[in-house]
Amino acid sequence: AQTVTQSQPEMSVQEAETVTLSCTYDTSENNYYLFWYKQPPSRQMILVIRQEAYKQQNATENRFSVNFQKAAKSFSLKISDSQLGDTAMYFCAHSGAGSYQLTFGKGTKLSVIP
Amino acid sequence: DTGVSQDPRHKITKRGQNVTFRCDPISEHNRLYWYRQTLGQGPEFLTYFQNEAQLEKSRLLSDRFSAERPKGSFSTLEIQRTEQGDSAMYLCASSSRAGASYGYTFGSGTRLTVV
Repeated sequence: AQTVTQSQPEMSVQEAETVTLSCTYDTSENNYYLFWYKQPPSRQMILVIRQEAYKQQNATENRFSVNFQKAAKSFSLKISDSQLGDTAMYFCAHSGAGSYQLTFGKGTKLSVIP
Repeated sequence: DTGVSQDPRHKITKRGQNVTFRCDPISEHNRLYWYRQTLGQGPEFLTYFQNEAQLEKSRLLSDRFSAERPKGSFSTLEIQRTEQGDSAMYLCASSSRAGASYGYTFGSGTRLTVV
């Protein structure tokens, strides 16, 4: 069974600064995918970034990038130039290749302070 | 296309009552998923449909829970004899590709409170 651990229940960052959210996971699969999802208050969850485990290159989407350390089973999210709209719950998630399920961590509540 | 729609947004019910939630996926998505999110936790998988076929069910889906997708379009999730432990956000998601590896499109959820 897969597990996803987010050890930071809450974090805050000043607007325009950079913040890194941590995630570790455990899996017995060789081929899998990792995700960061954002859930703004009272709004739907949206996909921020996706990483394929067999790709060594870290995924990047505009201000969002990941640091994927496969051997350490670590998958952190870096948000650069933080904006007020980045305030949300952030969930790290895992999926095995061909699996229908996502396994989520407990989330990190990020507050961007003006 | 307005994305994945869920109805109602909020539901308060008395313990022991039955409730039904509806999910309308993105029209061209043939795969639909239900998740449950309790306070302070990440979403947990409940069940998965490909078209009208329910292909996977979590053991979290007790016999008081039933989900349907009769024509391969919208889906309903019914909870019978609700218990206080059923209080949670129920999330629906859809996708056009097999597997979760491409990510889902989530709805805004139905928040259930059992009193």
